[in-house]
Amino acid sequence: DIQMTQSPSTLSASVGDRVTITCRASQSIRSWLAWYQQKPGKAPKLLIYKATTLQSGVPSRFSGSGSGTEFTLTISSLQPDDFATYYCQQYDSYSCSFGQGTKVESK
Amino acid sequence: EVQLLESGGGLVQPGGSLRLSCAASGFSFSSYAMSWVRQAPGKGLEWVSAFSGSGDSTYYAESVKGRFTISRDNSKSTLYLQLNSLRAEDTAIYYCAKVSPLTMVRGEFDYWGRGTLVAVSS
Repeated sequence: DIQMTQSPSTLSASVGDRVTITCRASQSIRSWLAWYQQKPGKAPKLLIYKATTLQSGVPSRFSGSGSGTEFTLTISSLQPDDFATYYCQQYDSYSCSFGQGTKVESK
Repeated sequence: EVQLLESGGGLVQPGGSLRLSCAASGFSFSSYAMSWVRQAPGKGLEWVSAFSGSGDSTYYAESVKGRFTISRDNSKSTLYLQLNSLRAEDTAIYYCAKVSPLTMVRGEFDYWGRGTLVAVSS
């Protein structure tokens, strides 16, 4: 099975900060990676797919990069609505898997 | 508008069974693969199972293989998950999710339901 490791687990930031979250795969997943945002009590929301493609309706301050085994999610200027937990997901294999999550909290 | 509505969760004793349902609307259900993803209280997301769109291919996480069975009724636009031999560690919110790429089993999940809570406890 492909293991996904996110870092950091928790990130403290302020509105306006540039935020970067890293996701590493235990083997190459090419570009088959998605990023989700989840708020308490809500279902996850798709932000980015195929490593770099922004889902329709998602603000352009979110961007994704990477391929192979190392990927990043960047929020260019953190907004109040962005405080949440973020997950990466690989779908290179039929048994997809998620990272453990990164909680973005207010500093 | 795409909607996914899960039901069937509840409190069950260890070793018991439940059947979850996910009623879909707003898209051509038979054309898309569907998955179940769960989230234990305060924990991260765990993929559970997937079912191909027009075919009959199914996939399971090792943690549920042999105990859970995924199925779908395209005439009713409904996805199911039969949970047998339930354990305390199966306690979680179970979400159904639509796979984005048309006809592909592997892909990102572009729509999710609100989830249904399964609690396994004596």
